[in-house]
Amino acid sequence: NAGVTQTPKFRVLKTGQSMTLLCAQDMNHEYMYWYRQDPGMGLRLIHYSVGEGTTAKGEVPDGYNVSRLKKQNFLLGLESAAPSQTSVYFCASSWLAGVGETQYFGPGTRLLVL
Amino acid sequence: AQKVTQAQTEISVVEKEDVTLDCVYETRDTTYYLFWYKQPPSGELVFLIRRNSFDEQNEISGRYSWNFQKSTSSFNFTITASQVVDSAVYFCALSDNNAGNMLTFGGGTRLMVKP
Repeated sequence: NAGVTQTPKFRVLKTGQSMTLLCAQDMNHEYMYWYRQDPGMGLRLIHYSVGEGTTAKGEVPDGYNVSRLKKQNFLLGLESAAPSQTSVYFCASSWLAGVGETQYFGPGTRLLVL
Repeated sequence: AQKVTQAQTEISVVEKEDVTLDCVYETRDTTYYLFWYKQPPSGELVFLIRRNSFDEQNEISGRYSWNFQKSTSSFNFTITASQVVDSAVYFCALSDNNAGNMLTFGGGTRLMVKP
């Protein structure tokens, strides 16, 4: 049982390049989330998904797109990377949708945009 | 709107000292949950505790304890007899009745425990 895994662990992009971050969970969780972590700001929600085939915007969605074609996978895409997207990206999942459901996090992906 | 404030950005203690990490939250909801997560130097986020708004009993787990006080909107975390392995960034987070079950995080407190 690997929990939540993220690929890649680290990536360097040039401004304008595109990339996709992959999140996978093997806990059969319904909800999945993408957060970004910036110094001194904690984590902020980018997008989330309440189930296969559905996605919704979080607090800071601009510049990102997501897809959830399979229940266990949640992809985060950057179509045209900008230096402001340099951050650490965390994927999380939770079993149910109710208030207070514990979210379990992946190990993070460190992205540097030059 | 919901908000979580961790006023202490960095704390440094010597091993075996007790240390308290402060967390103050804001929400308009009467039903909400509070969390603490630990982020060790390796970078992952480790879930520590979840507490709902209707349960104000303090909780103790080994050297860790949590003090929830609705009257002051605080959910403080105390480590007793700190150890070097406790060195990490600790995040307090709030989940209330918002769309998406979003967690609102505080800015984190970096704890350094020196031998």
